[in-house]
Amino acid sequence: NAGVTQTPKFQVLKTGQSMTLQCAQDMNHEYMSWYRQDPGMGLRLIHYSVGAGITDQGEVPNGYNVSRSTTEDFPLRLLSAAPSQTSVYFCASGGTGETYGYTFGSGTRLTVV
Amino acid sequence: AQSVTQLGSHVSVSEGALVLLRCNYSSSVPPYLFWYVQYPNQGLQLLLKYTTGATLVKGINGFEAEFKKSETSFHLTKPSAHMSDAAEYFCAVSEGSNDYKLSFGAGTTVTVRA
Repeated sequence: NAGVTQTPKFQVLKTGQSMTLQCAQDMNHEYMSWYRQDPGMGLRLIHYSVGAGITDQGEVPNGYNVSRSTTEDFPLRLLSAAPSQTSVYFCASGGTGETYGYTFGSGTRLTVV
Repeated sequence: AQSVTQLGSHVSVSEGALVLLRCNYSSSVPPYLFWYVQYPNQGLQLLLKYTTGATLVKGINGFEAEFKKSETSFHLTKPSAHMSDAAEYFCAVSEGSNDYKLSFGAGTTVTVRA
């Protein structure tokens, strides 16, 4: 049981380049989200999804796009990378009822130069 | 909207001493509260959570937390620190079972002295 899988683990981009961070979960969770972690700021919500075909913005959505075509996958797209997007990105999926609560992936460390 | 304040960005304790990490929250509805731990270069692991019911919650690795509504607090404790407890700890809040938008505190880094 893999849980939440993020790829790649590390990435270096040049300013202006685009890329997609991949996230997949095998727990049949309806809820998925993307967070970014910056020193001294905790984790901040970028985008989230409550089910296939449904997405919404979080606290810091600018410069990022998401889509949710299947329950399992929730990719995060950086449209035109900027140095301010240098961060560690975490994907998480959430269960309901007794299993309420998020399971986090191991993260993608992104550097934009 | 909800928010979380963690008092103290760094805490240093001796091995065997009490670990106390403070978390205060604001929420317009009865909150769900969480503590996560992050070891270096790893993701976040759930330590414990409060949703409803008993206000004293026991988690993994000997940690526990108490939800105090009157104080809007959810402090994390462990009676006796171990070297393996050195990590960063995050408190988080959501606005109940239909809200999956977690708001996180800034984190508290714990170091354990031998």
